[in-house]
Amino acid sequence: EVQLVESGGGLVQPGGSLRLSCAASGFTFSSYAMSWVRQAPGKGLEWVSAISGSGGSTYYADSVKGRFTISRDNSKNTLYLQMNSLRAEDTAVYYCAKKGSGRYCSGGSCFNFDYWGQGTLVTVSS
Amino acid sequence: AIQLTQSPSSLSASVGDRVTITCRASQGISSALAWYQQKPGKAPKLLIYDASSLESGVPSRFSGSGSGTDFTLTISSLQPEDFATYYCQQFNSYPSTFGQGTRLEIK
Repeated sequence: EVQLVESGGGLVQPGGSLRLSCAASGFTFSSYAMSWVRQAPGKGLEWVSAISGSGGSTYYADSVKGRFTISRDNSKNTLYLQMNSLRAEDTAVYYCAKKGSGRYCSGGSCFNFDYWGQGTLVTVSS
Repeated sequence: AIQLTQSPSSLSASVGDRVTITCRASQGISSALAWYQQKPGKAPKLLIYDASSLESGVPSRFSGSGSGTDFTLTISSLQPEDFATYYCQQFNSYPSTFGQGTRLEIK
């Protein structure tokens, strides 16, 4: 059974940093691209970042580029999101998500998501 | 970035009704579209990928159609557990984007 379990969320002041983790199990982690998707309170879904199975290619939404860093440790079956220079507008539930079947865009940065974690809440406030 | 516009934004329907939700892309995305269902406090769940492929384990009352810029999600006979918010997502070009959501409520 595929499982994705996020951790690391919490309350942080504007300008602060936080590192999210996503522990994966039930599939060959290194074979799949992964993403982070966020959802601000009461709002819709926003793609944040993606990483290839090897970790060699990374992609970011413009809203987080230069502040967030996605990475993975395939030996630990874990995905990370390092978030720096946090802003109030980064407040959201952050989900990790696994690449699903079917099409994907050229370059491999965009794909559908067949499994999601339960999410971890990040609150940026003073 | 490609914009996805869902209609309606909200919808009231009864158990047993046939319901259709539309997703329109600001430019052509071939068939690179997925549909998700999200219930309050839960993660989204993949229903349909590649516009019309039913994800494993999803009931056959869900179906998707369309290509290019216009897509639909149809629920053939609403069940009580189908009342939720539905999102479309395009993955034809970077960055991937989502529609604003359609909230399906009980009439």
